[in-house]
Amino acid sequence: DTGVSQDPRHKITKRGQNVTFRCDPISEHNRLYWYRQTLGQGPEFLTYFQNEAQLEKSRLLSDRFSAERPKGSFSTLEIQRTEQGDSAMYLCASSLQGAVEQYFGPGTRLTVT
Amino acid sequence: DAKTTQPNSMESNEEEPVHLPCNHSTISGTDYIHWYRQLPSQGPEYVIHGLTSNVNNRMASLAIAEDRKSSTLILHRATLRDAAVYYCIAGGWGNTGKLIFGQGTTLQVKP
Repeated sequence: DTGVSQDPRHKITKRGQNVTFRCDPISEHNRLYWYRQTLGQGPEFLTYFQNEAQLEKSRLLSDRFSAERPKGSFSTLEIQRTEQGDSAMYLCASSLQGAVEQYFGPGTRLTVT
Repeated sequence: DAKTTQPNSMESNEEEPVHLPCNHSTISGTDYIHWYRQLPSQGPEYVIHGLTSNVNNRMASLAIAEDRKSSTLILHRATLRDAAVYYCIAGGWGNTGKLIFGQGTTLQVKP
């Protein structure tokens, strides 16, 4: 097991374009989280899945953001009509239900020009 | 989740112990205290967690005050690889497990 992986690691896009990020959690981890981190700040919670069900979404997750976890394994986060304010590191984490610790991936750094 | 207060930055010398403080005066009885650290250009890494009693693991020790309103992460012998941002989080583990991060403490380790 190689831990949580995220793809791509870096993405540069022009304002108004759509982007999609992928997260592969640690196998058998049924909880999956997305966070966003801007420069100099701590990560901010975006959304959470338990298996394939999206159980909580932050107010930070506007209508332009959508996340899926279709078979309870990998997850995708799509941002439509990107804005410069979307530039950030997008982090994915996974955990076992009942476990306290979360395991984070390396993140996808998004730059919107 | 309880608000946490940490110093913005701390310095340490290599091979010396480091005590990273955290205040969480509004912590509730069911809130766990979690510590994560984030090395440059990496995602956060779990360090340790506790509820009431002091905890030790291979990475660090966690000392929790008797009233649980503060805690201290102890790195017994700092190395250059311990230079990172350390986040203290006081929150409920129960329903979702989501973590509410503050700004953390940036630890510099000098050779």
